[in-house]
Amino acid sequence: EAGVAQSPRYKIIEKRQSVAFWCNPISGHATLYWYQQILGQGPKLLIQFQNNGVVDDSQLPKDRFSAERLKGVDSTLKIQPAKLEDSAVYLCASSLRGGVMETQYFGPGTRLLVL
Amino acid sequence: AQSVTQLDSQVPVFEEAPVELRCNYSSSVSVYLFWYVQYPNQGLQLLLKYLSGSTLVKGINGFEAEFNKSQTSFHLRKPSVHISDTAEYFCAVSDPYNQGGKLIFGQGTELSVKP
Repeated sequence: EAGVAQSPRYKIIEKRQSVAFWCNPISGHATLYWYQQILGQGPKLLIQFQNNGVVDDSQLPKDRFSAERLKGVDSTLKIQPAKLEDSAVYLCASSLRGGVMETQYFGPGTRLLVL
Repeated sequence: AQSVTQLDSQVPVFEEAPVELRCNYSSSVSVYLFWYVQYPNQGLQLLLKYLSGSTLVKGINGFEAEFNKSQTSFHLRKPSVHISDTAEYFCAVSDPYNQGGKLIFGQGTELSVKP
């Protein structure tokens, strides 16, 4: 069974530029999560989708971050414009139905450096 | 609000020695508890989880953890570590009443196993 796929793996941009990350969850998984992991900290949930609807985006900085999951499968996370403090690893995870007892499966992450 | 504190940012240990990684949580309600491992340049992988029942939970790769409600702790242990256990370990908590399964992570503990 293929795992969660993410691309690109690495990205370097200058502040005020735009960037987008892509995630393909495990086939059949209805729930998709985006986490931000700043160096030295644990992952922090940015947004959670159930199929193509948003369940929780309370910690997403909506003035610069946006995410979509149009067909309930792939998802894209965008930052526009980027700030220095956005330098982090962006992790995508998926679970079968998003139940609180379910295991979340993580992708390898996209490492973003904003200069 | 729930929070997780991992008491050690780095734990160096020699191969075949026992290890304990400490995790404390704060919550006014019952919780589910998780330990994830992150190998270099990889995503997070579930080691074990406590949902209910026996307070001693066994996971993969010989790890186990004990839930202690009175001390609000969920420490991870392994009786004999290998070089391959070198990784970052994250403790996480979720609210059983949050149907979305949102995870709140600690800051992580870097386990370094030396020959």
